[in-house]
Amino acid sequence: DAKTTQPPSMDCAEGRAANLPCNHSTISGNEYVYWYRQIHSQGPQYIIHGLKNNETNEMASLIITEDRKSSTLILPHATLRDTAVYYCIVRVDGTASKLTFGTGTRLQVTL
Amino acid sequence: GAGVSQTPSNKVTEKGKYVELRCDPISGHTALYWYRQSLGQGPEFLIYFQGTGAADDSGLPNDRFFAVRPEGSVSTLKIQRTERGDSAVYLCASSLRRSGANVLTFGAGSRLTVL
Repeated sequence: DAKTTQPPSMDCAEGRAANLPCNHSTISGNEYVYWYRQIHSQGPQYIIHGLKNNETNEMASLIITEDRKSSTLILPHATLRDTAVYYCIVRVDGTASKLTFGTGTRLQVTL
Repeated sequence: GAGVSQTPSNKVTEKGKYVELRCDPISGHTALYWYRQSLGQGPEFLIYFQGTGAADDSGLPNDRFFAVRPEGSVSTLKIQRTERGDSAVYLCASSLRRSGANVLTFGAGSRLTVL
């Protein structure tokens, strides 16, 4: 699976949009981009995934660049409960193989 | 329940002892994964099962670690002769195997402390 690069930490004011970047310059054509987050003392939680089109669900939006070498996870109105470590992962889909986690971005949402 | 259940939530043991950690996946999920997470690090893959068989055990660090899933549902991670370096949170996840999205649902983890 392709490697990803994320900033180690970011801050965001409550109520503002949180934009979390991820670089995956070696991504292959059949690899999806997944985002998970991990709130303190909990297991990772799935947020969203996509292949090349932008995706949106009730939690977040995923914007993937046209060349697919980078993506951005957008939390449109961050709350204190969104404080967590966010992991960007790329993997081949259509299988049940492992997810490989990096160290992620620690997002701190502040008042 | 609706989620992945892991027991015990906390386990304290002494160096050299044997430990078992249990995972109850979501009903009907055919794939089951074990990860471990040390402080400040992302989850590290250990092993994954497709049904009863281990499809990928490349992450098991050594032969002291072993996992089983005899009936394709509940799984047990077994650690022999525990060492202080085994102290970590052990996470279990399950998923449906199908084409397209393969979303893993994680449990809350079992925190192992080896004294």
